Amino acid sequence: SQQGEEDPQALSIQEGENATMNCSYKTSINNLQWYRQNSGRGLVHLILIRSNEREKHSGRLRVTLDTSKKSSSLLITASRAADTASYFCATDPNTGNQFYFGTGTSLTVIP
Amino acid sequence: KAGVTQTPRYLIKTRGQQVTLSCSPISGHRSVSWYQQTPGQGLQFLFEYFSETQRNKGNFPGRFSGRQFSNSRSEMNVSTLELGDSALYLCASSLQGYTNYGYTFGSGTRLTVV
Repeated sequence: SQQGEEDPQALSIQEGENATMNCSYKTSINNLQWYRQNSGRGLVHLILIRSNEREKHSGRLRVTLDTSKKSSSLLITASRAADTASYFCATDPNTGNQFYFGTGTSLTVIP
Repeated sequence: KAGVTQTPRYLIKTRGQQVTLSCSPISGHRSVSWYQQTPGQGLQFLFEYFSETQRNKGNFPGRFSGRQFSNSRSEMNVSTLELGDSALYLCASSLQGYTNYGYTFGSGTRLTVV
């Protein structure tokens, strides 16, 4: 499978703590994106990082990309209860118009 | 502006029946992609349409088909439903359909096959 894999599968933290989740993938990519999914709903685009970028920030989100290790990490700082959701990484295997999604990390932020 | 609209939100069908799901993309977006999400297989790519043409197709049997209309609205059809087709079906809209931009997803259609 060309799917990525997120690690950990599940993460539970206290409000205010930082949450880090990792994504590993198998093929070379043009870019990597992170999405959030609230229970049973659609996916919300969080951030895109291109293959020639190493780090990107958006508000409380920080994404890193290491193409040599074929891995990415998403850091959510100062977490809130509203951050409780599943987080997916999505890679495009150079086809240009198709994503491969990872298996997702389920994040629970305890108030 | 209005988001991606998927209808219906929920569907219950019987094995052997067929079903049609609808997706209205964001106004001006010409690409619509479809994904199937199940607990066991995760999110899997079904197909992508751009300007009424299917540009890419995932590894699904021929029972899964789709089309796109001139107004960019898209439908997907599943014939001869099987229990394993129970899933959340998501469509994603984008301006040009290239993955170097973020996609906007609809809330999905939850299909249950009994």
